[in-house]
Amino acid sequence: QVQLVQSGAEVKKPGASVKVSCKASGYAFANFGISWVRQAPGQGLEWMGWISTYNGNTNYAQKLLGRVTMTTDTSTSTAYMELRSLRSDDTALYYCARDQSGGDEDYWGQGTLVTVSS
Amino acid sequence: QSVLTQPPSVSGTPGQRVTISCSGSSSNIGGNTVNWYQQLPGTAPKLLIYSNNQRPSGVPDRFSGSKSGTSASLAISGLQSEDEADYFCAAWDDSLNGHVFGTGTKVTVL
Repeated sequence: QVQLVQSGAEVKKPGASVKVSCKASGYAFANFGISWVRQAPGQGLEWMGWISTYNGNTNYAQKLLGRVTMTTDTSTSTAYMELRSLRSDDTALYYCARDQSGGDEDYWGQGTLVTVSS
Repeated sequence: QSVLTQPPSVSGTPGQRVTISCSGSSSNIGGNTVNWYQQLPGTAPKLLIYSNNQRPSGVPDRFSGSKSGTSASLAISGLQSEDEADYFCAAWDDSLNGHVFGTGTKVTVL
């Protein structure tokens, strides 16, 4: 069965960086892209961007341009999302999701809580 | 900052039919397909409806989706207690070149 397993919770200080991993199993990793979506406490869902696991092409949300980098390692079927210059309003649950072409998230990871606090 | 607008909450009694609306614009719903996601308390979202009205394998046919112009709707018929959750619509936005989600609707079973 399709599974996406994410890395554990992180606590970071403002200005620091965080890198979240997402290990996929149960399907051909290179056949589906990965989207990242975050959810601030008690809030809605915010799309962060998408990466092609086939060729590494990315499409980032405009508001995160310059702060976010998404990468993949096809040898381990793992996707990564790095967010830099963290602020308190980056505190959120971060989800990875399998996504064929961007905008079609079908299977989701369990979420990784990132807390930004001084 | 969500560009898709949903009612904050809807409620119904067991067995009732409820609908959730999702209002957008020509750059998102008007020109692209709509997905719906269900988020049970404390869990990750789950794809409920894709391509406006298609159900993934395993989703009960009590859930149905529709789209007209720049709006979409999710209907839940035969409401059950396990349907208590947050529901989000989503669509690609050509102006933003990104996926946009709705504001979310909490469904309460009375």
